[in-house]
Amino acid sequence: GAGVSQTPSNKVTEKGKYVELRCDPISGHTALYWYRQSLGQGPEFLIYFQGTGAADDSGLPNDRFFAVRPEGSVSTLKIQRTERGDSAVYLCASSPNVGENTEAFFGQGTRLTVV
Amino acid sequence: GDSVTQMEGPVTLSEEAFLTINCTYTATGYPSLFWYVQYPGEGLQLLLKATKADDKGSNKGFEATYRKETTSFHLEKGSVQVSDSAVYFCASGSGSEKLVFGKGTKLTVNP
Repeated sequence: GAGVSQTPSNKVTEKGKYVELRCDPISGHTALYWYRQSLGQGPEFLIYFQGTGAADDSGLPNDRFFAVRPEGSVSTLKIQRTERGDSAVYLCASSPNVGENTEAFFGQGTRLTVV
Repeated sequence: GDSVTQMEGPVTLSEEAFLTINCTYTATGYPSLFWYVQYPGEGLQLLLKATKADDKGSNKGFEATYRKETTSFHLEKGSVQVSDSAVYFCASGSGSEKLVFGKGTKLTVNP
């Protein structure tokens, strides 16, 4: 079946603009995660959803970042007033539930470049 | 906070060579430990995991043992193939949520 899908695959935006990044999880997966991967670094946790609610948003760097998952499926990561330091690959993952015996499946990411 | 430190790359080996990629962690409590792999042009995939001390995770000829005494989870493979060329990430976490990743180690295997 289809894996985690992220769109767009690449996004170039000007400093100060607003962007939205979309994630379509695997059908039926209740948990959804966002990570950010800067060049030369490993992925860093941003937020995760259990159903429609954000269960843990402690990784969001500041209030310019916001994510929603209104129907418990598709999620959108929103970044306001983008800065050059926001340039990174944004990864989305989903899992059937949460816990130590659950595997998270990752999408290929959205590469965001702020110029 | 929790952290993961892994061997810096890049690592270049010849086919059939032995591979070790070191990984150590710091954590409160007893996390699960993971190795993820990212093949060129693809998303991160779980390679193997271990959920408690002395557990050994294994998959595709790769192995890693959860060592609580040395807080390590080193990845090994006895004979690498060209198809193993990828970036490998060590990670810790309480489960599938909120993983903490190392910086990644790029492996290139030459024929």
